Amino acid sequence: EVQLLESGGGLVPPGGALRLSCAASGFTFSSYDMRWVRQAPGKGLEWVSSISRGGSTYYADSVKGRFAISRDNSKNTLYLQMNSLRAEDTAIYYCARLNEVISPASDYWGQGTLVTVSS
Amino acid sequence: SYELTQPPSVSVSPGQTASITCFGNKLGDKYACWYQQKPGQSPVLVIYQNNKRPSGIPERFSGSNSGNTATLTISGTQAMDEADYYCQAWDSSTVVFGGGTKLTVL
Repeated sequence: EVQLLESGGGLVPPGGALRLSCAASGFTFSSYDMRWVRQAPGKGLEWVSSISRGGSTYYADSVKGRFAISRDNSKNTLYLQMNSLRAEDTAIYYCARLNEVISPASDYWGQGTLVTVSS
Repeated sequence: SYELTQPPSVSVSPGQTASITCFGNKLGDKYACWYQQKPGQSPVLVIYQNNKRPSGIPERFSGSNSGNTATLTISGTQAMDEADYYCQAWDSSTVVFGGGTKLTVL
């Protein structure tokens, strides 16, 4: 069974940093592109970042230069390093698998981890 | 940057057909997919590559994409279909979501 389990969310002051993790199981993690998507309270889905199987990275303009996506295929884990956090980064952060066969859709999503940026 | 536009809300009576649109410049030249999200839950893929249903998604869900508009159609809408629906496409290596449509079944 495919599972994605996010962790690392919490309360952080403006200007602070946080690293999110997404532990993957039930599939060959190294064979899939992955992405982070966030959802601010009461708002819609917003793409944050993607990483390919080969390690190429892509970012939304709103986080470019502040966030860094990475992966450790030996640990089956996806990461999102978030620096210089702002109040507008407050959201539930989901990791999701991009299935090449059904591209550009994500067929599995984690349950999300909440990041709150506030003093 | 590329944008996808959805109506904020759509209402439908039980058993009737609901149509949710997603507008984007030359969207028909791209693949569109749709997600369903119920309160407090993660999104669930209901349509991919314009009109294909993932395993486990009921046949009443269908999709189309032509010109500038992708459409999610729910035939014989049930109370359990009440949710937020998001379209998504891919443009220049970036993922784009529509703003979401709240489907109310009343």
